[in-house]
Amino acid sequence: DQQVKQNSPSLSVQEGRISILNCDYTNSMFDYFLWYKKYPAEGPTFLISISSIKDKNEDGRFTVFLNKSAKHLSLHIVPSQPGDSAVYFCAASGYFGNEKLTFGTGTRLTIIP
Amino acid sequence: DVKVTQSSRYLVKRTGEKVFLECVQDMDHENMFWYRQDPGLGLRLIYFSYDVKMKEKGDIPEGYSVSREKKERFSLILESASTNQTSMYLCATYRQGVDSPLHFGNGTRLTVT
Repeated sequence: DQQVKQNSPSLSVQEGRISILNCDYTNSMFDYFLWYKKYPAEGPTFLISISSIKDKNEDGRFTVFLNKSAKHLSLHIVPSQPGDSAVYFCAASGYFGNEKLTFGTGTRLTIIP
Repeated sequence: DVKVTQSSRYLVKRTGEKVFLECVQDMDHENMFWYRQDPGLGLRLIYFSYDVKMKEKGDIPEGYSVSREKKERFSLILESASTNQTSMYLCATYRQGVDSPLHFGNGTRLTVT
């Protein structure tokens, strides 16, 4: 049973435009959400996080939005750059921490120059 | 910067062999994790450890065991490798009690033939 779902396996966006990556979850006990970015042949690297007490968190070009009632979060990248081409994973945990993170299946983002 | 080093980038083993995957971190983190990444399935937690000689099963522990004799080293053991254990294996660490994300190694691509 996939508790964290990324329904789009891939996404292509023109350079300079907005990239929106979506993530849905089913477990209402999840309280803390993260996005990771992964390049080929490298481990995932942390991008941005949000706790359930917030509905938005921003860091430079990256913004994460959380809609708890819909059990949905999204990552916005503005403007998109070629170096953003990677696989993006959303992840969730039951409390403010990283133990036993549950990851989504990933979305491959391709930025078209 | 946290450094998480996985001893091998690529491994090819035969069915039935005993396989050791090693992970070393240099930041004195208490918590260490082993994940596997498979297409369409995201990252799934195999085992984790929150202290020396302590271990807990993750979501898919079957066919695996772990060893943590020293704080900086966490080993994943495939007792008798099978072809369905062909995967990318990722080690990760984090420090307890702070808003610190998981830090991943670069992964070991294991092929079991």
